[in-house]
Amino acid sequence: TQLLEQSPQFLSIQEGENLTVYCNSSSVFSSLQWYRQEPGEGPVLLVTVVTGGEVKKLKRLTFQFGDARKDSSLHITAAQPGDTGLYLCAGAIGNQFYFGTGTSLTVIP
Amino acid sequence: DSGVTQTPKHLITATGQRVTLRCSPRSGDLSVYWYQQSLDQGLQFLIQYYNGEERAKGNILERFSAQQFPDLHSELNLSSLELGDSALYFCASSVTLAGTGELFFGEGSRLTVL
Repeated sequence: TQLLEQSPQFLSIQEGENLTVYCNSSSVFSSLQWYRQEPGEGPVLLVTVVTGGEVKKLKRLTFQFGDARKDSSLHITAAQPGDTGLYLCAGAIGNQFYFGTGTSLTVIP
Repeated sequence: DSGVTQTPKHLITATGQRVTLRCSPRSGDLSVYWYQQSLDQGLQFLIQYYNGEERAKGNILERFSAQQFPDLHSELNLSSLELGDSALYFCASSVTLAGTGELFFGEGSRLTVL
């Protein structure tokens, strides 16, 4: 069983649409990271959030850490084909990272 | 290029066999993590080493073992292989031991057990 559950598991949208991916747990994390993985490659870090309620923006991507540090969301505005990939959240407890189940995003031109 | 090197990239073997996966971390990174990624299980944490010492253990089977050598490279040994061990095995490195550091992943080793 995964410590972090992501939803939705699969998402296929048209270019220009907005979307939100959720990462939920019953555990409290010291930090929460989001990674993106493309086929044939390892995950690459997008952002780290460490404070409950923290919001970080990275161009068209907005990341939020829940107030209780148990959940997070990733919002993409005006999705582009280049956003296609597997999005993974990862929560830190001590010096271990626990990865979510992943959300596979396809943006159709 | 993350700076993390994993070999081999692809490996096909039979049930009951033993394989060794190798990881060279980024220069200067002391922490090495091993993860297993399969279609139905996501990315599962296996084990972590820091400067040669085991620091955390996840869902690693007893048939699997790992070590980190003085030059900081790491090896993951998988024995008595079963069909269900077929997966992508990732190594990641980090400069810190703490859970706020960035993980740099290699490209993975794809293991197929027939």
